[in-house]
Amino acid sequence: DTGVSQNPRHKITKRGQNVTFRCDPISEHNRLYWYRQTLGQGPEFLTYFQNEAQLEKSRLLSDRFSAERPKGSFSTLEIQRTEQGDSAMYLCASSLVSPGRTEAFFGQGTRLTVV
Amino acid sequence: TQLLEQSPQFLSIQEGENLTVYCNSSSVFSSLQWYRQEPGEGPVLLVTVVTGGEVKKLKRLTFQFGDARKDSSLHITAAQPGDTGLYLCAGAESNYQLIWGAGTKLIIKP
Repeated sequence: DTGVSQNPRHKITKRGQNVTFRCDPISEHNRLYWYRQTLGQGPEFLTYFQNEAQLEKSRLLSDRFSAERPKGSFSTLEIQRTEQGDSAMYLCASSLVSPGRTEAFFGQGTRLTVV
Repeated sequence: TQLLEQSPQFLSIQEGENLTVYCNSSSVFSSLQWYRQEPGEGPVLLVTVVTGGEVKKLKRLTFQFGDARKDSSLHITAAQPGDTGLYLCAGAESNYQLIWGAGTKLIIKP
């Protein structure tokens, strides 16, 4: 399987704990995106990387959220001191950006439940 | 900030009926994509439209990009229960960033 892979698929954590999610993009893709999605809504942009550089972060992203893509390959998203409002589906997508090409390919997501 | 509005937000119809969902913006996009998402899964790309006025067909699904590249429609002919899902449109900005609509939740009843 050469698609986008996310781990874990599900995470239940207690409020105040830290969690970390991993995303393995399609290998030749140069862009990697993190989104958050709540039930019945479209994906909400969090941040994206071009290779290993983090180029944009949403203003909605609090300082409890941090993302890395150390070697321009896989990426991690960490949420510190989780809150119940962080409960959502966290989606990772990758794309090979070039003129005329913007399609994003998504992983299956990580469902976070903060209790 | 560019916004993409999708309508209707929710649609429930009987199997065999036709339907159209819309994706509208006041801004121009370099391309626009449609995705379908099933519960608990990530969105799956259906099609990309690039040229103003472009029409693409994918079996019973017909996608159209507006002449001014600000809006798009998805028409499904003879809907089937397997078409049930959340249909999302995403417009590409000049820096290749994607702007997402909130989606149309479609239910096809047998």
